Amino acid sequence: GQNIDQPTEMTATEGAIVQINCTYQTSGFNGLFWYQQHAGEAPTFLSYNVLDGLEEKGRFSSFLSRSKGYSYLLLKELQMKDSASYLCAVMDSNYQLIWGAGTKLIIKP
Amino acid sequence: IAGITQAPTSQILAAGRRMTLRCTQDMRHNAMYWYRQDLGLGLRLIHYSNTAGTTGKGEVPDGYSVSRANTDDFPLTLASAVPSQTSVYFCASSDRIAGEADTQYFGPGTRLTVL
Repeated sequence: GQNIDQPTEMTATEGAIVQINCTYQTSGFNGLFWYQQHAGEAPTFLSYNVLDGLEEKGRFSSFLSRSKGYSYLLLKELQMKDSASYLCAVMDSNYQLIWGAGTKLIIKP
Repeated sequence: IAGITQAPTSQILAAGRRMTLRCTQDMRHNAMYWYRQDLGLGLRLIHYSNTAGTTGKGEVPDGYSVSRANTDDFPLTLASAVPSQTSVYFCASSDRIAGEADTQYFGPGTRLTVL
């Protein structure tokens, strides 16, 4: 079966750095997405990786290793507004997104 | 403002009733999707449409039906609601080009409670 694993919850301090990991086993691979979802709101797109390596977008970076079935989202200079759930999703061989359950990130002052 | 709208925002429904959730996008995206999101579970695909006039089944299609008469609208119908269909429903769209991965954009969601 297809599976996406990410930690259920993480806690970090304002101003610090946090890394959210995602491992996947899917039938085929056509890219990996990270989304942010604030409580009671819709998911919003953060990043997309299809090749191995690091993609940087301001305070957020996303890394992919296809051979290891592994990705991480790195958030720097954490702000209180970064408190949200972070969803990892992989596009499979049928170009359908398979979603992880999400990681709830709690930021403490 | 370009984007996706969903209606209603929330609804409480008696079991056995019929309900249609509405979704409209104005981005001229060719693909649209319906997901449900339950606590502790990832988003699960119910139905999708790669282009107007076509639909397909996702991971959890039972009890739901969709239609795609035009590019902009993608309604989801629960023919006879059951309590297990209590969930948050998200509509999404993407500018899918055949054979290429693309980014999905989400509507604000409909919170449905079936009693």
